Amino acid sequence: GQNIDQPTEMTATEGAIVQINCTYQTSGFNGLFWYQQHAGEAPTFLSYNVLDGLEEKGRFSSFLSRSKGYSYLLLKELQMKDSASYLCAVKNFNKFYFGSGTKLNVKP
Amino acid sequence: EAGVAQSPRYKIIEKRQSVAFWCNPISGHATLYWYQQILGQGPKLLIQFQNNGVVDDSQLPKDRFSAERLKGVDSTLKIQPAKLEDSAVYLCASSPITGQIYEQYFGPGTRLTVT
Repeated sequence: GQNIDQPTEMTATEGAIVQINCTYQTSGFNGLFWYQQHAGEAPTFLSYNVLDGLEEKGRFSSFLSRSKGYSYLLLKELQMKDSASYLCAVKNFNKFYFGSGTKLNVKP
Repeated sequence: EAGVAQSPRYKIIEKRQSVAFWCNPISGHATLYWYQQILGQGPKLLIQFQNNGVVDDSQLPKDRFSAERLKGVDSTLKIQPAKLEDSAVYLCASSPITGQIYEQYFGPGTRLTVT
């Protein structure tokens, strides 16, 4: 089976840095994706990792360790608009398996 | 470019009734996905099409759910008859095929409430 774990909820302060972790156990691996989902809206793509290491994209960075089945999404200089759910998804051949998402609350 | 379109945005039905959802993917996208997202959970893949052929429908409850993608463009997902546990947001997504890595583009979803 496929198992993807994320913390349910996190709270951070505007301007700070937050790290959202994702651990996975899947029968195959072709990439790890991060999506942002605001309440009542569709998920939007943030980043993906195929190889080990850090991928940086503006205020967002994502890290992958395939040997540990571990990824994290790093958000810098938090803004109020970053309050959303963050979904970790593992691609296995043509399928995407999603975690339950981490709800991030950004406080002033 | 226009995004993934879905309709209706909201639907309320009684259990045992039927309902259909429509999706129009981004032009030129070969792959189309239907997901079910129950409140507080991540999206769960129901069915995946490549052009007008089914790639995966292993998690589709085939006794009550059906989907088609005629002419490899628009798609329809139907539930007949609906159960209370079908209350969820139904997301449609599409993606191009560009090498091995591609992202999915999601539509706004249809929020279904079964009473």
